[in-house]
Amino acid sequence: DSGVTQTPKHLITATGQRVTLRCSPRSGDLSVYWYQQSLDQGLQFLIQYYNGEERAKGNILERFSAQQFPDLHSELNLSSLELGDSALYFCASSVGFSGRDEQFFGPGTRLTVL
Amino acid sequence: KNEVEQSPQNLTAQEGEFITINCSYSVGISALHWLQQHPGGGIVSLFMLSSGKKKHGRLIATINIQEKHSSLHITASHPRDSAVYICAASRPISSGSARQLTFGSGTQLTVLP
Repeated sequence: DSGVTQTPKHLITATGQRVTLRCSPRSGDLSVYWYQQSLDQGLQFLIQYYNGEERAKGNILERFSAQQFPDLHSELNLSSLELGDSALYFCASSVGFSGRDEQFFGPGTRLTVL
Repeated sequence: KNEVEQSPQNLTAQEGEFITINCSYSVGISALHWLQQHPGGGIVSLFMLSSGKKKHGRLIATINIQEKHSSLHITASHPRDSAVYICAASRPISSGSARQLTFGSGTQLTVLP
């Protein structure tokens, strides 16, 4: 158990809908990262937050947004869903933001868009 | 060409064999991560290294910064080592201090009893 929690574990929805994925980092970690893992693209970095502020942005679509709340949990919002958004979404947490810290991964949320 | 290349893509070994998975990267990095992903999907961080060598149990990770190459070794492999092993390079996104992980495509390891 990494100490990172993600809910829900599974999510099935329809095209055009909007969903919210939730992540709680390990106690004491200030950074939260979101990743997408799809069959054709593999693992990709989406976005990073550090202590409530956006720190780094990767291949995140404009239809997707995220935030980190004062209690450090984070939410990833996916809207106008398309079939191609079906994937495993992981969050990870670390103590710092430098990229030199070990990242601890949550169990993932499997999103299926029908 | 991908910024992070792994080889082999698939590897089947007999229990007890010594296993090596390779990772090459073409960008400047601040650290190299090795991750293990189990069939259920969960990802576990095995190593993070920026130089030299690290060992944890039967797992050894090495990195050669000059050659932009890292290897993950498993000694005395066991069927429970069967998983996907992924290397990821922590690299700068812009001129600032922000970093992102760029992932290899993974190596599917199957260890037969």
